[in-house]
Amino acid sequence: GAVVSQHPSWVICKSGTSVKIECRSLDFQATTMFWYRQFPKQSLMLMATSNEGSKATYEQGVEKDKFLINHASLTLSTLTVTSAHPEDSSFYICSARRGGGKTQYFGPGTRLLVL
Amino acid sequence: GDSVTQMEGPVTLSEEAFLTINCTYTATGYPSLFWYVQYPGEGLQLLLKATKADDKGSNKGFEATYRKETTSFHLEKGSVQVSDSAVYFCALIPNRDDKIIFGKGTRLHILP
Repeated sequence: GAVVSQHPSWVICKSGTSVKIECRSLDFQATTMFWYRQFPKQSLMLMATSNEGSKATYEQGVEKDKFLINHASLTLSTLTVTSAHPEDSSFYICSARRGGGKTQYFGPGTRLLVL
Repeated sequence: GDSVTQMEGPVTLSEEAFLTINCTYTATGYPSLFWYVQYPGEGLQLLLKATKADDKGSNKGFEATYRKETTSFHLEKGSVQVSDSAVYFCALIPNRDDKIIFGKGTRLHILP
């Protein structure tokens, strides 16, 4: 149990376009989902925390108008990178947490390349 | 603030060698402790966890014991395999917070 999926796994887009990444908890209800960004050979950097039905909480330095997060249901959160630029190219990973628990279960990640 | 320190890699071992990856933490109270593994090009997989002092987490031959007195959560495996080559992250979640705090990760290479 506790499987998290992400879609797409790879995306290449042109500069200026928007890209949506989905994060789904497949076999449990996730009251909280987290979005991370990982640079090569580095640890994960938390971007934002989203709770179902409420606005996401963004970490300092993360532009909320740039990285739109929607957590519309207990099994789905989306991250939209708006007007993507090459510097947004990265590996984006989501995680999900059951209600009442501490453990975060991570998705397989989405690699974004902006040309 | 709360933090996690783990040994820097890369760590290179021969197959069937004994593995230890050290991890120490700084946190108030009793945080929950985790080891995650990341295979190349993939997300993080939960390897094991412990939520209170003296708990031992174990999975796939890996073990780690929550040591409050030394604020440590060292990862061990008795006999590593080539397939264990990956990056290992030690992490904690404080008592009164939801955010996970990661160590910098330790890259492990196992030679056949």
